[in-house]
Amino acid sequence: GQNIDQPTEMTATEGAIVQINCTYQTSGFNGLFWYQQHAGEAPTFLSYNVLDGLEEKGRFSSFLSRSKGYSYLLLKELQMKDSASYLCAVRPTQNRDDKIIFGKGTRLHILP
Amino acid sequence: DSGVTQTPKHLITATGQRVTLRCSPRSGDLSVYWYQQSLDQGLQFLIQYYNGEERAKGNILERFSAQQFPDLHSELNLSSLELGDSALYFCASSVGEAGYNEQFFGPGTRLTVL
Repeated sequence: GQNIDQPTEMTATEGAIVQINCTYQTSGFNGLFWYQQHAGEAPTFLSYNVLDGLEEKGRFSSFLSRSKGYSYLLLKELQMKDSASYLCAVRPTQNRDDKIIFGKGTRLHILP
Repeated sequence: DSGVTQTPKHLITATGQRVTLRCSPRSGDLSVYWYQQSLDQGLQFLIQYYNGEERAKGNILERFSAQQFPDLHSELNLSSLELGDSALYFCASSVGEAGYNEQFFGPGTRLTVL
């Protein structure tokens, strides 16, 4: 079966750093996405990793280890507006008719 | 603003009814995806269309159907509605048909079935 695991909730302090982990067990692997979703709003794209290593984009970085079936999203210099859910999603194969599988998301609470 | 529009924003209806949700993709995007998001299930992929043709099918019930029209807008039809169909329905669009293309999400339609 296909499975993506993320912590349900996390809490961090404004100005700090937080790491949100995602592990996956899928029939194959052809890329991992991170999305941010504020309550009641649509998801917005944060990052896409297909090769091992760290991709940095401003305050956000995403890391992938394909051999471990593991990724993390690192958020630095946390701001109150970073309070949101963070969704990890995997594309299992490169077949045209495959589909992206989403984890249930990690709700991140930022405290002042 | 992602450039993807969805109507209506909210829909309240009764069990057994049928509703149609509408989505217009970003200008230039040929793929449209439909997702359902409920509190207990998270975001679930339903179906993808690319340039008018069905490309991928996810956890879409037989009571649900979708299509993409020549002008690339898409409609999701939900029939014989049940209480459990209450959810946020998102449409997303992307340039290509491959799943690794970045998807841009619309604001969603909140469906409440009473």
